[in-house]
Amino acid sequence: DVKVTQSSRYLVKRTGEKVFLECVQDMDHENMFWYRQDPGLGLRLIYFSYDVKMKEKGDIPEGYSVSREKKERFSLILESASTNQTSMYLCASSFRAGRDAFFGQGTRLTVV
Amino acid sequence: AQSVAQPEDQVNVAEGNPLTVKCTYSVSGNPYLFWYVQYPNRGLQFLLKYITGDNLVKGSYGFEAEFNKSQTSFHLKKPSALVSDSALYFCAVRDMAGGGNKLTFGTGTQLKVEL
Repeated sequence: DVKVTQSSRYLVKRTGEKVFLECVQDMDHENMFWYRQDPGLGLRLIYFSYDVKMKEKGDIPEGYSVSREKKERFSLILESASTNQTSMYLCASSFRAGRDAFFGQGTRLTVV
Repeated sequence: AQSVAQPEDQVNVAEGNPLTVKCTYSVSGNPYLFWYVQYPNRGLQFLLKYITGDNLVKGSYGFEAEFNKSQTSFHLKKPSALVSDSALYFCAVRDMAGGGNKLTFGTGTQLKVEL
């Protein structure tokens, strides 16, 4: 079975901190994604990567950056955390375009 | 841009009754459509997808979905609901921007199955 692992289930950070969310997949998938999930808004794509060192902005990239130095790992970075970034963050991966995406268990981030 | 709409925030159904969770889509070209389920404090799990072929798609846990091109819909169905089906359900469409690698999700429908 494909496994997508997010480094933390719950995080509490202070306003202004630099925050790293890590995601690792074990199935050699080309594509990796970061979404945030908010009630009533569904899942919104922050960034995605279709290859090592390649990235593309999603629908809401402001305030975020990403890093993909190795194929299996995709990191989401909050350069200076703000309270409006309090949310559930979901990482996903897929083999190629149009194929099923597999999700991690999510990281619930609270910024105080 | 591709999009999906889930018109109902919540659906309530009695156990044993059939259930339907609605989804409509807007795409240019042929749609790739998906359903995912999310149980509390968990990530999303894939249920089923439509790419081409039969309009009735069968998936995990007894769920199925009917693709209707004329109504641009892809409703999720199950003949007999279980309490354990209570969860948050998301419809998604493959977004052809960025090489077709992205999925665009709806806002989700909370399904509550009661005894």
